This record gives sequence, structure tokens and C-alpha cells, in this order.
Amino acid sequence: QIQLVQSGPELKKPGESLKISCKASGYTFTDYAMQWVKQAPGKGLQYMGWINTQTGKPTYADDFKERFVFSLETSASTAYLQINNLKNEDTATYFCARGMMVRDYWGQGVMVTVSS
Amino acid sequence: DVVLTQTPVSLSVTLGDQASISCRSSQSLEYSDGYTYLEWYLQKPGQSPQLLIYEVSNRFSGVPDRFIGSGSGTDFTLKISRVEPEDLGVYYCFQATHDPLTFGSGTKLEIK
Repeated sequence: QIQLVQSGPELKKPGESLKISCKASGYTFTDYAMQWVKQAPGKGLQYMGWINTQTGKPTYADDFKERFVFSLETSASTAYLQINNLKNEDTATYFCARGMMVRDYWGQGVMVTVSS
Repeated sequence: DVVLTQTPVSLSVTLGDQASISCRSSQSLEYSDGYTYLEWYLQKPGQSPQLLIYEVSNRFSGVPDRFIGSGSGTDFTLKISRVEPEDLGVYYCFQATHDPLTFGSGTKLEIK
């Protein structure tokens, strides 16, 4: 069955970096784009962007162009989200989701807490 | 950016009754290919969002036919007939027609 399994929760200090993973199984990884979505505590969903899993080309929404990096390890069917120079406002749950025109399968989310 | 305005913000429904959620877009969501990329998601408490409806009215695999999406252009509606306990959560509309892609602000469905 199709699954997206994300890495575990993170507790970081402001200014640090982190890299969270999204491992896909049950389908051909490069057949579908991978999307990223942020959800701050108690808030709604915010679209971050997507990465083309065939070319590795990322596309970022405006709010995520500065410190955020999408990448792939295609041989491991894994997508990554790296956040540099963490800020308190990065505290959120981050979801990966498969697909370009339809986001049909989602990871379980990674809770990231940024606190000094 | 396209703004999706969902109403109501919250909804309290008796089991077995119908619920209706509106999603209005600041621009037409019909793409140049003729398709309208408007989706509906349900996020149950403590869970990831799950796809209910894509391209306005197509139910995703396994979604009960109690969930009906409709609309065109800038006005869209999700109707849930015969609400059941497992329908509680926050419903989001989402548009994939215009870059950047955007979510609505959500509608919380509670059971009376």
C-alpha cells in the first residue's frame, strides 16, 4: 500500500538547522511530485511548495523562498525538507503529500518546536 | 495570490443531518485546460489532512457518496449528507489552478 512515512519530532534552538524526511513506499517515487505543507499550532494549512521528483527542481511559495530547501534522495525514495536559521515562527507540523494536480496521500507530519 | 474564503468558520450539526460548506475564490479557478483544480480535505483531530474531493466534484477512492462537491468559477460547495460521528474535524478547500497554490482558512465541523 502507498505510504509516506516522515521522521520524528524535533526540538531545536533558534538559529539551528534541521532536515526532516519523507520516505515513500508502495509506488514509483519519480512518478509523482512531492509537496510540503506547514501547519502552525492551532492554525490552518499553509502551502510551502513542491519538488519535481524526476528533475529535482524545487518550487517554493513566496513565504518559503529564503531558508527552506527541498531535496531528494531518489535511490531511497525519500524527500527532504531542510530549514536553516530556525526561528520561533517555524514551530509547526510539517506534512509531505504526494502528487501534483491532486495531493492524494499524506505523511503523518513532523512536529518541529523551536525554542531557546 | 488567490484567496479562498470559507464559510461558515464553524458548524454544529446533528447526526444524520446535512452540512454545507462554502468556498469562494477571489479569481476563477478554471484552468486553461478546461479543468478546475479545486479540492476538499478533511483533517480529523490529531491526523493528517485526507483528500475527499478533487477537480470540484470527483470523490477520492474510498470516500463515501455522502460527500458531494459542486460549483464552478469562483463559487464552490461541499455538502455532507447524513453526517456521521467520523465526519468531525476541519474541512479545507484548496486551489491548484493558480500559483501560488492556496488553502482556505478551514471550517470546523462539530457534532451536536
